[in-house]
Amino acid sequence: AQSVTQLDSHVSVSEGTPVLLRCNYSSSYSPSLFWYVQHPNKGLQLLLKYTSAATLVKGINGFEAEFKKSETSFHLTKPSAHMSDAAEYFCVVSPFNAGKSTFGDGTTLTVKP
Amino acid sequence: KAGVTQTPRYLIKTRGQQVTLSCSPISGHRSVSWYQQTPGQGLQFLFEYFSETQRNKGNFPGRFSGRQFSNSRSEMNVSTLELGDSALYLCASSQDRERFGYTFGSGTRLTVV
Repeated sequence: AQSVTQLDSHVSVSEGTPVLLRCNYSSSYSPSLFWYVQHPNKGLQLLLKYTSAATLVKGINGFEAEFKKSETSFHLTKPSAHMSDAAEYFCVVSPFNAGKSTFGDGTTLTVKP
Repeated sequence: KAGVTQTPRYLIKTRGQQVTLSCSPISGHRSVSWYQQTPGQGLQFLFEYFSETQRNKGNFPGRFSGRQFSNSRSEMNVSTLELGDSALYLCASSQDRERFGYTFGSGTRLTVV
């Protein structure tokens, strides 16, 4: 069994300040973990992925995430928020046994000028 | 390289009708998954197909069905439409989802009146 919990449904930051979106997971197997971003009325776009290589993963648009097995976390960060980062973000866990992927409920990021 | 193509983009149907949505995955991707997204329920997994076989299925009633063709294109069908079926339906394809994640289409916006 697996699950994903995105700890904040809404996060609001000012432009130029750091972003932290939190994700905890549980999985019976060593999973792959992903972050996706969805802008209004668009499909989801892959931001970054963890697949058991380096624990610090860099993605597109300056985002990165750190896999912490001991804390079962995969938090998404960005040093400096930009207005274009305003969107909904999804944390996803995919098992290696061909079982279905599990999406978190999403975190809406608001960036204030 | 063409992305995931979903047709049509927008659709308005009457309660009780049926509808078929189409998804053309990225060339070489054999896995296709379908999701329903609504403001109240978030992203809900419908089903996943791999090489014409349904590999995983979500918790939706039998009115929701899908299939995948030998060229990996996929269709989903909803019969006896209900008002609650109004949603954004997203298709995602993958070459190897545990390693590379998904590529999503822009979705089909279905409105049931």
